[in-house]
Amino acid sequence: QKEVEQDPGPLSVPEGAIVSLNCTYSNSAFQYFMWYRQYSRKGPELLMYTYSSGNKEDGRFTAQVDKSSKYISLFIRDSQPSDSATYLCAMSRGTYKYIFGTGTRLKVLA
Amino acid sequence: EADIYQTPRYLVIGTGKKITLECSQTMGHDKMYWYQQDPGMELHLIHYSYGVNSTEKGDLSSESTVSRIRTEHFPLTLESARPSHTSQYLCASSGGTGSSNQPQHFGDGTRLSIL
Repeated sequence: QKEVEQDPGPLSVPEGAIVSLNCTYSNSAFQYFMWYRQYSRKGPELLMYTYSSGNKEDGRFTAQVDKSSKYISLFIRDSQPSDSATYLCAMSRGTYKYIFGTGTRLKVLA
Repeated sequence: EADIYQTPRYLVIGTGKKITLECSQTMGHDKMYWYQQDPGMELHLIHYSYGVNSTEKGDLSSESTVSRIRTEHFPLTLESARPSHTSQYLCASSGGTGSSNQPQHFGDGTRLSIL
């Protein structure tokens, strides 16, 4: 079983919808949680970075971490066609080692 | 926006050639990383460095080698390329000191095809 599980999608939503992307994990030692956005033929771009449990908001993006359930989420409000990309979750215990999900492909339809 | 640059962006080359993938960052980050990314798969760490003259192998076995002579530069070399090396190679860097964990910032990758 993988340490981090992420539904690969694709997930198609209409423009303006609220998008919910999720990852589950098995290692309770993870403390740092990241969400990256990756456009085709580009590298991952850091969207959100959180430590431990709780919520963090940045513009249209909200990251949630529930350590008791080993579950993290990224919410995108008022989704736009430009949000169409692959979203990767990543987590770390605080060392060099990051564990990445396989990514969820999101398509926002105009 | 992170300033980390990879060259070339795309490379198609024959079997047996020596290849060097370049990675440079202008953020003064001590830590640098090389990942391999294949379609539908998670990123796999192949090399990392904590600073000048410090390099370690990652979790994914790789026939590549790296060097870290300058803080800003972390090239990856394949002495004799094979078709199994075909993949996307991503370079990343992060700041922070000691065990402090700062997020990694990525370049746009090199897409390598070995014929």
